[in-house]
Amino acid sequence: DGGITQSPKYLFRKEGQNVTLSCEQNLNHDAMYWYRQDPGQGLRLIYYSQIVNDFQKGDIAEGYSVSREKKESFPLTVTSAQKNPTAFYLCASSSSGTIKLTQFFGPGTRLTVL
Amino acid sequence: AQSVTQLDSQVPVFEEAPVELRCNYSSSVSVYLFWYVQYPNQGLQLLLKYLSGSTLVKGINGFEAEFNKSQTSFHLRKPSVHISDTAEYFCAVSIPANAGGTSYGKLTFGQGTILTVHP
Repeated sequence: DGGITQSPKYLFRKEGQNVTLSCEQNLNHDAMYWYRQDPGQGLRLIYYSQIVNDFQKGDIAEGYSVSREKKESFPLTVTSAQKNPTAFYLCASSSSGTIKLTQFFGPGTRLTVL
Repeated sequence: AQSVTQLDSQVPVFEEAPVELRCNYSSSVSVYLFWYVQYPNQGLQLLLKYLSGSTLVKGINGFEAEFNKSQTSFHLRKPSVHISDTAEYFCAVSIPANAGGTSYGKLTFGQGTILTVHP
């Protein structure tokens, strides 16, 4: 079954700790994205990567970091510098080429800072 | 830069009634348009998309949307809703490659509309 997996589904963190969220896809997509979702605010782009070993900041990158060492994987680290990290995090991927069309989404990780 | 406004944060409706979820966008270049649905504690699923051609787009689960360039709108409609349509719906835009620059491939989302279908 092709798709995007995110783990864990729920994650709890103490203030001051870094935490890494996993995103893996087997769709052979070149582009991958990380979004943050808060109630009433839609989805906001954190980071995106159009190709392995390259990534760009999105609209709300402060306090987050990413890596793209493999085509299939795009982990997101929420650092202690992120002032309000409690949110629902969604990973997505899309095909490359001259037209990037539909983004496919994973099931999400809900992060709660205690 | 582009932006998306979903005009209703919540839409309550009775089962088997028609529904329209409104979406307006702003962009200095042409756009692609999308509607996604999200069930509680899940990811987003694509309902339909407009890339070019016919302005009336049909999607999954009986939904359709009409692209209106003059009014910069992309409203989502269903003639008869079911209880199972209860979910949050998101409108989104992206920029085509020939207008891309650094915005190419990125989605900009509206704030979401929660559709609640009552029996």
